[in-house]
Amino acid sequence: QSVLTQPPSVSGAPGQRVTISCTGSSSNIGAGSDVHWYQQLPGTAPKLLIYDNSNRPSGVPDRFSGSKSGTSASLAISGLQAEDEADYYCQSYDFSLSDYGVFGTGTTVTVL
Amino acid sequence: EVHLVESGGGLVQPGGSLKLSCAASGFIFSGSAMHWVRQSSGKGLEWVGRIRSKANNYATTYAASVRGRFTISRDDSKNTAYLQMNSLKTEDTAAYYCTKASYDSRGYYHDYWGQGTLVTVSS
Repeated sequence: QSVLTQPPSVSGAPGQRVTISCTGSSSNIGAGSDVHWYQQLPGTAPKLLIYDNSNRPSGVPDRFSGSKSGTSASLAISGLQAEDEADYYCQSYDFSLSDYGVFGTGTTVTVL
Repeated sequence: EVHLVESGGGLVQPGGSLKLSCAASGFIFSGSAMHWVRQSSGKGLEWVGRIRSKANNYATTYAASVRGRFTISRDDSKNTAYLQMNSLKTEDTAAYYCTKASYDSRGYYHDYWGQGTLVTVSS
């Protein structure tokens, strides 16, 4: 059982804005741990999308943005494109667990 | 450019063993922590374990689901990390990814991933 909860799926039409939530607790996100996001396109390995809550690695379009507040974090995709159809996972560090990062349950984004 | 290439996956019977390798290039391997993450078909990501660098005494930590059965090691002279899997169970069937991790005071993230290698545990 993951300690980070995400909605199983979100969908939107091309050009729309969608958001994915990542809900944690006082032992992870709420304790000050950074949140990171990964994109997994169908049949491929995950790829780092957002790190340290809101930073984009080189090459990631600025349509992707992240934020964190309290015990939750969010990933927003603006100007949704067909190529954004993928699974998205959040990840953070939980101080109550013996030194390892935890992944969220994952969210499938569907472009209508 | 960073490259991580896993190998060693395959079909193994329950109770058997398998050793995965992760060949790294494009970064200072000896100074980096290396992790293993797995994903069962159609399921989410599950962290398996990690090994830190020599400066951090090659410290290892494992997920509860594999502790006592899996062992992570590394050979810095070969820029390679390993995952030794013993007493395999059907529920260990998954794609196994090695990752390079970047650390700061508030945790870490997996900044590079390999392409994965598939392990199937079945009789």
